[in-house]
Amino acid sequence: DGGITQSPKYLFRKEGQNVTLSCEQNLNHDAMYWYRQDPGQGLRLIYYSQIVNDFQKGDIAEGYSVSREKKESFPLTVTSAQKNPTAFYLCASSPSWDQPQHFGDGTRLSIL
Amino acid sequence: GENVEQHPSTLSVQEGDSAVIKCTYSDSASNYFPWYKQELGKRPQLIIDIRSNVGEKKDQRIAVTLNKTAKHFSLHITETQPEDSAVYFCAARRSQGNLIFGKGTKLSVKP
Repeated sequence: DGGITQSPKYLFRKEGQNVTLSCEQNLNHDAMYWYRQDPGQGLRLIYYSQIVNDFQKGDIAEGYSVSREKKESFPLTVTSAQKNPTAFYLCASSPSWDQPQHFGDGTRLSIL
Repeated sequence: GENVEQHPSTLSVQEGDSAVIKCTYSDSASNYFPWYKQELGKRPQLIIDIRSNVGEKKDQRIAVTLNKTAKHFSLHITETQPEDSAVYFCAARRSQGNLIFGKGTKLSVKP
């Protein structure tokens, strides 16, 4: 959806480095989500935030961190503790927790 | 734990035929079931969804059916076209409010 912007489209990381993926939405949505997509694995939930200044761990939160200081922004940091960070990362948002989610274009992260 | 099983993982049909993808869920509190279509290298797009107070929903060539007792739901695509080729994901909303996804079905429609 045009209102959810993920940047950059491609990202490369060296071993031992933290890296932050950006997700911005101008849809005035309360809820935002981060998913990881690996081939044959579907979408797995990393973190989610149902309202500004609050967030919860998803199914695979280890090695990741987030913040939700502004309603429109939900950045994801992939830390050096994430041992297999190569994946396609998708951000989504919804007007509230019980409304349909819509996705950004994703960021593909690779290890150099 | 909670999970969503999706079958088949790959599906190949001839143009004009119908395609059916099936999902089962484990959380009896789930009350919302969306389907997403993802073309290669692109974002997943919501194509249809159903809530637990209805048994079927249609939108042109696509339909979704829900059997709450058996805890399964299905996507039906009729008169398939080559542009229907993509990976399709089902999902179920958990009691916490977030979604759990199936592993996807790669649909190929042969002209």
